[in-house]
Amino acid sequence: EEQLVQSGAEVKKPGESLKISCKGSGYSFNSHWVAWVRQMPGKGLECMGIIFPGDSDTMYSPSFQGQVSISADKSISTAYLQWSSLKASDTAMYYCARLQGGMDVWGQGTTVTVSS
Amino acid sequence: EIVLTQSPGTLSLSPGERATLSCRASQSLSNNNLAWYQQKPGQAPRLLIYGASSRATGIPDRFSGSGSGTDFTLTITRLEPEDFAVYYCQHYGGSPYTFGQGTRLEIK
Repeated sequence: EEQLVQSGAEVKKPGESLKISCKGSGYSFNSHWVAWVRQMPGKGLECMGIIFPGDSDTMYSPSFQGQVSISADKSISTAYLQWSSLKASDTAMYYCARLQGGMDVWGQGTTVTVSS
Repeated sequence: EIVLTQSPGTLSLSPGERATLSCRASQSLSNNNLAWYQQKPGQAPRLLIYGASSRATGIPDRFSGSGSGTDFTLTITRLEPEDFAVYYCQHYGGSPYTFGQGTRLEIK
């Protein structure tokens, strides 16, 4: 079965760092772009950026450039989303998704809560 | 950046009725790289349509997509109770990939 499995929920304080993960299985993870998508509470979907795990080519959406870092470790079929200094406004659900004619396989989501 | 505008914001219909959802792009989409997703509360989005009109694997044929250029439509014939959800369009022709703001399909 083709799937993406994300790391568990996180509760952090403002200013802390965080790295969440997305592990692919059941398909050639390194040969498909992976997207990170944010969904703030009660709001719509926003694509933060995409990465090609095979060579770590990465593109960020303008709103997220400089705010987060997207990376991948192809040896373990895993993509990452990282913050160096969290803000309360980073509180959201974060999804990873495979790009293949749209986003056809989604992770289950990682809830990130940032609160003092 | 391509802006996608969905209408209406909310659509109130009854089971068995036909739903027509619209997505307009701020510029023409190359190769009609437009997808539609369904999202239910507490769930990840699910791909319904890609390439503007191709159904994703396992999607019932009551869902259909049409359109080209800047104007796209998702049609759901004979609404089933499980179809009431939020629907998003998205372009994937080049970064940044953007989503529309969503249409909420609610039971009348």
